[in-house]
Amino acid sequence: NAGVTQTPKFRILKIGQSMTLQCAQDMNHNYMYWYRQDPGMGLKLIYYSVGAGITDKGEVPNGYNVSRSTTEDFPLRLELAAPSQTSVYFCASRNRGDEQFFGPGTRLTVL
Amino acid sequence: QKEVEQDPGPLSVPEGAIVSLNCTYSNSAFQYFMWYRQYSRKGPELLMYTYSSGNKEDGRFTAQVDKSSKYISLFIRDSQPSDSATYLCATNAGKSTFGDGTTLTVKP
Repeated sequence: NAGVTQTPKFRILKIGQSMTLQCAQDMNHNYMYWYRQDPGMGLKLIYYSVGAGITDKGEVPNGYNVSRSTTEDFPLRLELAAPSQTSVYFCASRNRGDEQFFGPGTRLTVL
Repeated sequence: QKEVEQDPGPLSVPEGAIVSLNCTYSNSAFQYFMWYRQYSRKGPELLMYTYSSGNKEDGRFTAQVDKSSKYISLFIRDSQPSDSATYLCATNAGKSTFGDGTTLTVKP
């Protein structure tokens, strides 16, 4: 199993550009999450999903959108990128248990 | 008030020291408590998991939960340079709530 994979690993965006961060898991997990982690800070929940077709907002959803059309994929869309969205983005998944499995992260810089 | 507050650190200790990492939480409904370890430029990985008050031991690591005072601790015995990482406490009531992390450096 590859676990949780994220692409791209790094990206630099200009202010106002848009992009989609990809996340995929091959563990057949129902729950998936998107977090951002700012330097020296913990994880802030952006959006989460409890299954295909069901998504909900987390703590910091503004400026982001998600969709969950399949169990495997949970892309995160940034519209009109702003410098405040410079961060490391982690995708995670879990099954019925409480352990979350994290991807390697995407480092995004908005200039 | 944040739901999970973690001692901010950073911590720097000599090899072989005993390390204590601490968190408090505000919601008495939290039942599951986890410690994740995050190496630099990597995603977090689950280190310890407990759902009851008391101690849980795994090798050099001990997780302690005191539900009466809403206090969570992680102890590392005989710390090693390979323990240098950021440690995140977390609870789970549907969706996880993470502390801000404590960065630990163990010097040889």
